[in-house]
Amino acid sequence: AQTVTQSQPEMSVQEAETVTLSCTYDTSESDYYLFWYKQPPSRQMILVIRQEAYKQQNATENRFSVYFQKAAKSFSLKISDSQLGDAAMYFCAYRTSYDKVIFGPGTSLSVIP
Amino acid sequence: DTAVSQTPKYLVTQMGNDKSIKCEQNLGHDTMYWYKQDSKKFLKIMFSYNNKELIINETVPNRFSPKSPDKAHLNLHINSLELGDSAVYFCASSQAGGGSPLHFGNGTRLTVT
Repeated sequence: AQTVTQSQPEMSVQEAETVTLSCTYDTSESDYYLFWYKQPPSRQMILVIRQEAYKQQNATENRFSVYFQKAAKSFSLKISDSQLGDAAMYFCAYRTSYDKVIFGPGTSLSVIP
Repeated sequence: DTAVSQTPKYLVTQMGNDKSIKCEQNLGHDTMYWYKQDSKKFLKIMFSYNNKELIINETVPNRFSPKSPDKAHLNLHINSLELGDSAVYFCASSQAGGGSPLHFGNGTRLTVT
């Protein structure tokens, strides 16, 4: 069975600095999709970024980028120029070939002004 | 227009009662999901429907019964509520297959007293 691990329950970053959130997963599938979601205190779940496993190029969305290492089954999220509005829970997620989406336990990110 | 809407937003009830949460999506997606988020923010998949057909049924007590009258609606009925059922329940939808991300409703906070 697939599993998703986020080893950092809490992280903090100074405003305008860069932070990297870690995610590892376990799977025997060769084709799958990975996501990062953000959940601010409003509890809304917001898609941050998406990565296709068959693409070697790391996905980028404005200040958010991923470092995807398929062989190591690692999928890190880098947030550049951190802003106060980035403070939230961040969840790494894995989508299986049969449409099941599994979430990691989350990392709570604080942004220090 | 809200893409995935679930009602009610808050639900407070006593142990032993039966309650329902409704979910509707206007995105034209084929697949809908129910997730439970516990007090530690862990998101666990409960059920998934594709075009009104149940495709994922995780280890959930049979007091929980999903119902999908059509592919735009997925409701969750809970019988004989217990204290441990207190959580936030999220409805989500996506296109089937490929790497479509989940689109979430705003969640229903259920409190059982």
